[in-house]
Amino acid sequence: EDQVTQSPEALRLQEGESSSLNCSYTVSGLRGLFWYRQDPGKGPEFLFTLYSAGEEKEKERLKATLTKKESFLHITAPKPEDSATYLCAVQGWKAGRRALTFGSGTRLQVQP
Amino acid sequence: DAGVIQSPRHEVTEMGQEVTLRCKPISGHDYLFWYRQTMMRGLELLIYFNNNVPIDDSGMPEDRFSAKMPNASFSTLKIQPSEPRDSAVYFCASSLGRTGRGEKLFFGSGTQLSVL
Repeated sequence: EDQVTQSPEALRLQEGESSSLNCSYTVSGLRGLFWYRQDPGKGPEFLFTLYSAGEEKEKERLKATLTKKESFLHITAPKPEDSATYLCAVQGWKAGRRALTFGSGTRLQVQP
Repeated sequence: DAGVIQSPRHEVTEMGQEVTLRCKPISGHDYLFWYRQTMMRGLELLIYFNNNVPIDDSGMPEDRFSAKMPNASFSTLKIQPSEPRDSAVYFCASSLGRTGRGEKLFFGSGTQLSVL
């Protein structure tokens, strides 16, 4: 069974204070690892897909990295508008399975 | 594209009543997913469809829950009878499903269900 564990559960940063969110996973063959952002009252919004260990992707102040057991979402010089819950999910190669298994998320608050 | 459309946005009902949630996926997407989100359990997969056929319903909690996809542009999730523990946000999502690699899901805005 695919499993995703995210840490920390919550993180409070000052504006400009860089940090990283962790996502540990176990999966029966990784088809893809996904990062989503979720704002209150809204559905998850896609950020990145990573496919293999060593891969990195960037978008503005966010950078996602992947190893065989973990993924990190690095936030550089965050702004208050980066405050949200960040969700990590995996999709495995179990025959025909296209659904994502999600972690519980990290609630990020960036204070001005 | 309008994205995944869910209705209603909010539903308040009394225990024992029937509840029907609706979803219109993105046109051309082959896969449709129903997830439930609670503070305690996070996002849980309930069921998903491929080309209107249910593929995996192992996440459906009980026989009180049923889902249908009569055509490529419409799906329903029904709870009958509803119970207070069904209170949650229900999300519908869709994906293309055309490649062998991992494909992202596009989520709707969700239905906030409160069962009193």
